[in-house]
Amino acid sequence: DTAVSQTPKYLVTQMGNDKSIKCEQNLGHDTMYWYKQDSKKFLKIMFSYNNKELIINETVPNRFSPKSPDKAHLNLHINSLELGDSAVYFCASSLYSAGANVLTFGAGSRLTVL
Amino acid sequence: AQSVAQPEDQVNVAEGNPLTVKCTYSVSGNPYLFWYVQYPNRGLQFLLKYITGDNLVKGSYGFEAEFNKSQTSFHLKKPSALVSDSALYFCAVRDGTGGYNKLIFGAGTRLAVHP
Repeated sequence: DTAVSQTPKYLVTQMGNDKSIKCEQNLGHDTMYWYKQDSKKFLKIMFSYNNKELIINETVPNRFSPKSPDKAHLNLHINSLELGDSAVYFCASSLYSAGANVLTFGAGSRLTVL
Repeated sequence: AQSVAQPEDQVNVAEGNPLTVKCTYSVSGNPYLFWYVQYPNRGLQFLLKYITGDNLVKGSYGFEAEFNKSQTSFHLKKPSALVSDSALYFCAVRDGTGGYNKLIFGAGTRLAVHP
């Protein structure tokens, strides 16, 4: 009955590889987000989708490509991984119409690029 | 641009003592402010929010926060700390620039409650 679930929880890969992280929410929310938390715990938004439409796209390298097949799912694909991509990636969701941005976060996916 | 600042990297407090985790904000317009908590190896959890109304906001786990417009602050407080409160605390502000809302987080403050 997990509200926001991400897979995989841990991902270790070599530089130059391509990898994906998947996210699903069962809260009936209409907006989903990807946040990146670096080694100093700083949290920064990357993307947001509302009803499958991309609404926020921060200054993120185009090696990162989000995809939302439906409003309950938001995946993140990363091409040509670099050392600096090592971080914890958090998926979150909210009900946009509520306006006040109370986000529910997943447990995170820790990506390590060697 | 909207932003929040958390001036302390870490706050240490003895169990049973009151705690305060500081946050100041910089916004244009009325601020929408939030506190989230992150336990080790977990995602962030919502604690409380200020939108409008009473300056003292009560939230989960006995936490509260005081909105102070003149000092542009939104400090998180608890009257009596528990060891289990030890975690990373994030202040956040809503940024509606560009027509879509997103949360901008502070750098986080690590709270360590000692027995």
